[in-house]
Amino acid sequence: VQLQESGPGLVRPSEPMSLTCTVSGDSITSGHYWGWVRQPPGEEMEWIGFIFHTGTTLYNPSLKSRVTISLHPSTNHFSLSLASTTAADTALYYCGRSNYGDFGDFWFEYWGQGSLVTVSS
Amino acid sequence: SYGQTQPQSVSVAPGQTAIITCGGDNIGSKSVQWYRQKPGQAPELVLYFTTDLPSGIPRRFSGSKSADTATLTISGVEAGDEAVYFCQGWDSRRDLVVFGRGTLLTVL
Repeated sequence: VQLQESGPGLVRPSEPMSLTCTVSGDSITSGHYWGWVRQPPGEEMEWIGFIFHTGTTLYNPSLKSRVTISLHPSTNHFSLSLASTTAADTALYYCGRSNYGDFGDFWFEYWGQGSLVTVSS
Repeated sequence: SYGQTQPQSVSVAPGQTAIITCGGDNIGSKSVQWYRQKPGQAPELVLYFTTDLPSGIPRRFSGSKSADTATLTISGVEAGDEAVYFCQGWDSRRDLVVFGRGTLLTVL
């Protein structure tokens, strides 16, 4: 399974941003969670959210009002949209496939290489 | 930040045992996962469900968890184990995935 992020690189503050994660070697309707994680420079990883193969989403409460994760089965990719960006959204954004046990037991089995997004004027 | 606490760095000689801890009141009753990340590379899962090894990870890697601390143990450390190791769990109070800041493992 391989995942590859693609994104805008540079975003102006207050503008929305979108990232795409293209998946190969698995179908995004296969029964896993598909998620996004970001890492601001010098900071720890921050979970953004998941989307289940059914379309059910689970978001970080601190980002929930600005985040949308969507599935695109016809092209086997999923996407992240983040509204009203600020410099605090500057980060390396990773997509990943997550497996799970009971609710709350999630682990990322596969990760993309990451896509750097800088929010700056 | 809701992140879990990890030591900034751990150094061990080849062949020795490295112990990396991950603590915090967010550990709770859910499992803890461990990843390693080498410079310029994507993170790699090395333990999941607290104690389970993914395919391809040697049995030198093991995990455990007490009430408020999870531990990654790497026995017989090799030069190739040098990386940043970070833990990941679940904050049941806030319903979110949480990560540790990461521990740099240096092989002397």
